[in-house]
Amino acid sequence: GDSVTQMEGPVTLSEEAFLTINCTYTATGYPSLFWYVQYPGEGLQLLLKATKADDKGSNKGFEATYRKETTSFHLEKGSVQVSDSAVYFCALSDKGVDRDDKIIFGKGTRLHILP
Amino acid sequence: DTGVTQSPTHLIKTRGQQVTLRCSPISGHKSVSWYQQVLGQGPQFIFQYYEKEERGRGNFPDRFSARQFPNYSSELNVNALLLGDSALYLCASSLGVGVTYEQYFGPGTRLTVT
Repeated sequence: GDSVTQMEGPVTLSEEAFLTINCTYTATGYPSLFWYVQYPGEGLQLLLKATKADDKGSNKGFEATYRKETTSFHLEKGSVQVSDSAVYFCALSDKGVDRDDKIIFGKGTRLHILP
Repeated sequence: DTGVTQSPTHLIKTRGQQVTLRCSPISGHKSVSWYQQVLGQGPQFIFQYYEKEERGRGNFPDRFSARQFPNYSSELNVNALLLGDSALYLCASSLGVGVTYEQYFGPGTRLTVT
């Protein structure tokens, strides 16, 4: 079945460092890919998405490119801030396989940014 | 605008008991989905409802059931609670069905089974 694998955390970086969180996926159809973020004490928020190969999603300085040839959707940010500390989930939705819109999530990567 | 709301925020139940969790979608949203997030894991899909009909069900036992009301709010019921049902239960709503419609998540209900 469809699945998402992302790098395990926690990831600890200093403020202004470059961030990469790796994500790869397995899907039988033509998935849309997402990054969600969960800040402490808050609900899941959509950070960015890409719906087809070679699309780049971007938001708040974060970027991820849908790479079909490597089945990857790595999250990057050029200069992280303390406020970026959160748990990040890579996810996919594989419309066309089933009727529902279920989102399949990775296990999450906890990010700590030190001032 | 009010986001997705869920109640209660927290609750504690004993093994074997039954629990009902509630979700109010964003105004105008007709689809509601439920997810279970065990500590340290990503959310797992339980159900999706659209226009009061079940549209999909994840790999959960029959102890889990749900329904959607005419006002599009939803309830998730879990019978015969097990320790392993302890988790954060998330509700998400969207305007319609299809991947083009973003799902908006509520803050969740944290269920502890003792």
